[in-house]
Amino acid sequence: QVELQESGPGLVKPSETLSLTCTVSGNPITSYYWSWIRQPPGKGLEWIAYMYYSATTKYSPSLKSRVTISVDTSKNQLSLQLSSVTAADTAVYYCARYDRRSFDYWGQGILVTVSS
Amino acid sequence: QSALTQPASVSGSPGQSITISCTGTSSDIGAYNYVSWYYQHPAKAPQLLIYDVSKRPSAVSDRFSGSKSGNMASLTISGLQAEDEADYYCSSYTTSSSWVFGGGTKLTVL
Repeated sequence: QVELQESGPGLVKPSETLSLTCTVSGNPITSYYWSWIRQPPGKGLEWIAYMYYSATTKYSPSLKSRVTISVDTSKNQLSLQLSSVTAADTAVYYCARYDRRSFDYWGQGILVTVSS
Repeated sequence: QSALTQPASVSGSPGQSITISCTGTSSDIGAYNYVSWYYQHPAKAPQLLIYDVSKRPSAVSDRFSGSKSGNMASLTISGLQAEDEADYYCSSYTTSSSWVFGGGTKLTVL
């Protein structure tokens, strides 16, 4: 069974960089594409980016200038960095497996609040 | 890339059928047959219901069905059950090689 678990700081200061990790179990991270998706409190879902371990990467046009995602195959982990954060970046951040042109397995999500 | 347009809420009684619409453009829904649907219970992660417009993962009930016409996709739930009460989101691949979600629809089972 595929399981994804997000981890990282729950509070980030404005203008700093948000850094999250997603640990994947039950599936080699080299076998699929992986994605980050976020959801501001009380709002809808927003796709952030996806990548394949061999460096194929796509970013949301609206976040592209601030986002970096990467994969650590030795740890079976996916990472997200979002720079210059503001209150508008406060959200639950999910990692998800991308397969058959959809997101079929999701982590439980992690709430990240941007506040001083 | 603008979000896809969904009704904010729909409702139905147990046993009835309801349809949730998802309107996009020729750059997303109209461009590919890569529409997916997700449901989300409060404080839970989204779960995949439909992919490639109308295909269901093996664990998903056949009460859920999807379709598409032009720039609009639809999700139909038949035989409505109390546990179907949730938020529903559509999503589409776009000509910008990105993904866009709808704003979500809250389904209330009366």
